[in-house]
Amino acid sequence: GESVGLHLPTLSVQEGDNSIINCAYSNSASDYFIWYKQESGKGPQFIIDIRSNMDKRQGQRVTVLLNKTVKHLSLQIAATQPGDSAVYFCAENNYGQNFVFGPGTRLSVLP
Amino acid sequence: EPEVTQTPSHQVTQMGQEVILRCVPISNHLYFYWYRQILGQKVEFLVSFYNNEISEKSEIFDDQFSVERPDGSNFTLKIRSTKLEDSAMYFCASRRDRGNNYGYTFGSGTRLTVV
Repeated sequence: GESVGLHLPTLSVQEGDNSIINCAYSNSASDYFIWYKQESGKGPQFIIDIRSNMDKRQGQRVTVLLNKTVKHLSLQIAATQPGDSAVYFCAENNYGQNFVFGPGTRLSVLP
Repeated sequence: EPEVTQTPSHQVTQMGQEVILRCVPISNHLYFYWYRQILGQKVEFLVSFYNNEISEKSEIFDDQFSVERPDGSNFTLKIRSTKLEDSAMYFCASRRDRGNNYGYTFGSGTRLTVV
């Protein structure tokens, strides 16, 4: 079946560096994508979303890039901080359907 | 900021027992969901609920599972006869609309441990 996956299961970065978390999706009909952050013992928390008619969207310290040609989504975190340490999930949606989550990438911020 | 509230935060139950996980979605949301996450794995869809009926369910959501919205505020997930493999974090989520401007708001989850 169609699914969302991640290239890197773990990522370690130095505090202050930029982080890039990648996601591959296979459902070409997906038209809405969300990045979620999940801290230990908590539920997924919305970070940023992007619709398929866009290729880039920026938030506060975060940027999501969408490349529909290769079905690739990335989350960039600028000046990574210790509080950014968490598991990050991408999720895709085909209008009106349920979100499908990727397996997650654990981001560890090193002091 | 409005929150989705789940209770209890942690429940331990014996195999074969029934459990009810409770959720209070955000008050003006119309779509409700249960997801689960086995330790170290991805978040998996269980069921969606709209207009007092199930709108979609996954293959995980078998006859042992049921959902109910008994009043205007609560949304419950019942597992009739728990199995060891039901041990997981269960997340409730709600959404105001299904359109592409609306992501989920998740609760903090209930950790279910079946022994």
